[in-house]
Amino acid sequence: EPEVTQTPSHQVTQMGQEVILRCVPISNHLYFYWYRQILGQKVEFLVSFYNNEISEKSEIFDDQFSVERPDGSNFTLKIRSTKLEDSAMYFCASTPGGSGNQPQHFGDGTRLSIL
Amino acid sequence: QKEVEQDPGPLSVPEGAIVSLNCTYSNSAFQYFMWYRQYSRKGPELLMYTYSSGNKEDGRFTAQVDKSSKYISLFIRDSQPSDSATYLCAMSTNAGNNRKLIWGLGTSLAVNP
Repeated sequence: EPEVTQTPSHQVTQMGQEVILRCVPISNHLYFYWYRQILGQKVEFLVSFYNNEISEKSEIFDDQFSVERPDGSNFTLKIRSTKLEDSAMYFCASTPGGSGNQPQHFGDGTRLSIL
Repeated sequence: QKEVEQDPGPLSVPEGAIVSLNCTYSNSAFQYFMWYRQYSRKGPELLMYTYSSGNKEDGRFTAQVDKSSKYISLFIRDSQPSDSATYLCAMSTNAGNNRKLIWGLGTSLAVNP
């Protein structure tokens, strides 16, 4: 069964450094999402992306965050200057295009640890 | 009032028991309701997906949605130790195909052999 792939599985970064989290969505999917889950808290929506532009973003997704689909297969989340509070699991998800509602399929996440 | 509320448990049951998990929500615009299972250090795995009110059954799993009460449930029959995981409810409004999910906190379930 096709799956969403995320790399790395664990990223350790010094506060203030830039970090890029990578995702390969399911190949025929057209809508892409990033979520995060801080330890012990709910999963939170960050951003959705379609047709090479952001469709919706949350209040969390401030100017320090950006997303990109650089080559038609990868979908990346960049955090420009990391803070301690950015430590979390980051999940990528994707859905097919077309009419009707389609459920989101998730990768196994990247655990981001900011020191 | 929080948008989606879910008792985090933990819930511990013997093998073979019927498990009932539930979430309540406050936003009447939610139309799509999902249950995900999450094993430790893994991503959410879709279990059940329901539109509007009603029941949906898939094997040992049954999802129920009661929009009048703003209440959703997941039932697991003949529970197995492999069902031990965190169960997350998630929901979204009917807003095209770009549908952000709003999540419950998750209920931790342990099925004891």
